[in-house]
Amino acid sequence: GAVVSQHPSWVICKSGTSVKIECRSLDFQATTMFWYRQFPKQSLMLMATSNEGSKATYEQGVEKDKFLINHASLTLSTLTVTSAHPEDSSFYICSASGGRFSTDTQYFGPGTRLTVL
Amino acid sequence: RKEVEQDPGPFNVPEGATVAFNCTYSNSASQSFFWYRQDCRKEPKLLMSVYSSGNEDGRFTAQLNRASQYISLLIRDSKLSDSATYLCVVMDSSYKLIFGSGTRLLVRP
Repeated sequence: GAVVSQHPSWVICKSGTSVKIECRSLDFQATTMFWYRQFPKQSLMLMATSNEGSKATYEQGVEKDKFLINHASLTLSTLTVTSAHPEDSSFYICSASGGRFSTDTQYFGPGTRLTVL
Repeated sequence: RKEVEQDPGPFNVPEGATVAFNCTYSNSASQSFFWYRQDCRKEPKLLMSVYSSGNEDGRFTAQLNRASQYISLLIRDSKLSDSATYLCVVMDSSYKLIFGSGTRLLVRP
């Protein structure tokens, strides 16, 4: 299967600062990357879908100006949480699909745990 | 109504037991179905896809009933290492994955 990495694996920041999370597909070219968020004891919720070279499509209720997504290459997508607040503390997980793999299959990164103080 | 509904559990079973999880989905246009496993504070990992004809992978058997919009997972001969949260996942027509909230399984010695 494919390998997807995320960096950092965890981050603690002060309220009001911005945090960037990277998602990389290490051994395949991901035409599509997805960003999810999971609060404790809740399900993964899709935040946005990004295709390489085009603007991300955000799910209803997700502020695009707060969660900036850049998918500049076929192996890298970034999520920037701008002016983070304690309620943004969550587990952020990316996934990637495409390339030599079926579009039906998403490969998940290990997640980034964000804590905003 | 949630798009994908699961019994949250927890299911607490002894080693060697057989346990079954159920899931229902609301969108009849859903095209693909999966069971994922998620360990505490980790990312979800694909356990198996689910096909209309039913499919088996070792101790795991998955069934799909499109008419009833119902998916199941059966685990035979439970191992301690099976303890995790099992996520029922449905892919919609735009390739988005919709996750259930998961069913927690605890296998005790």
